[in-house]
Amino acid sequence: AQSVTQLGSHVSVSEGALVLLRCNYSSSVPPYLFWYVQYPNQGLQLLLKYTSAATLVKGINGFEAEFKKSETSFHLTKPSAHMSDAAEYFCAVSAPTGTASKLTFGTGTRLQVTL
Amino acid sequence: GAGVSQSPSNKVTEKGKDVELRCDPISGHTALYWYRQSLGQGLEFLIYFQGNSAPDKSGLPSDRFSAERTGGSVSTLTIQRTQQEDSAVYLCASSSFPQGSETQYFGPGTRLLVL
Repeated sequence: AQSVTQLGSHVSVSEGALVLLRCNYSSSVPPYLFWYVQYPNQGLQLLLKYTSAATLVKGINGFEAEFKKSETSFHLTKPSAHMSDAAEYFCAVSAPTGTASKLTFGTGTRLQVTL
Repeated sequence: GAGVSQSPSNKVTEKGKDVELRCDPISGHTALYWYRQSLGQGLEFLIYFQGNSAPDKSGLPSDRFSAERTGGSVSTLTIQRTQQEDSAVYLCASSSFPQGSETQYFGPGTRLLVL
């Protein structure tokens, strides 16, 4: 079984400050990991994903995440927050084997960006 | 179409009524997924289709929930005898192949309110 834990349901940063959203996973097999963003009343949009290639993954809108197997983590970062980054962020895990590639999501982190 | 579409965008129904939710995946995508997003449960997997068959129905919460996919394209999620706890946003996603590394592209969701 796989699971994802997102620490901090709400994170607030100032515009221009570093964004750090935490995600830890549990998986009995090497996982695939994803970060999705959800803006109000919209579906989920992929920010980036880890699929066992490079451990440092760069995504859209200046976000990146680093896969750390020793820490079972896949934290999302952005050097400088922008007001438009305010949204809810979900970390998700899927299994690399079998036919079912369903995503198991964390509980989400709502990012607030203040002036 | 350019993305995953879902209809209706909003649905209000009375307890005990049946509802049908529709999903049009990205053209050519063989895998289709249904998820539910609710305040109490977060984002949960419901069912997955590969072509017209559903190898994984493990997330359907009760036998009141069913889904089908025809022509390897459109899918319908049906909820019979709706209950207030069915109120949620129902999200559909599709991917090129049913592999864990494949990106799932999400639709905007159907917001269901059961009165």
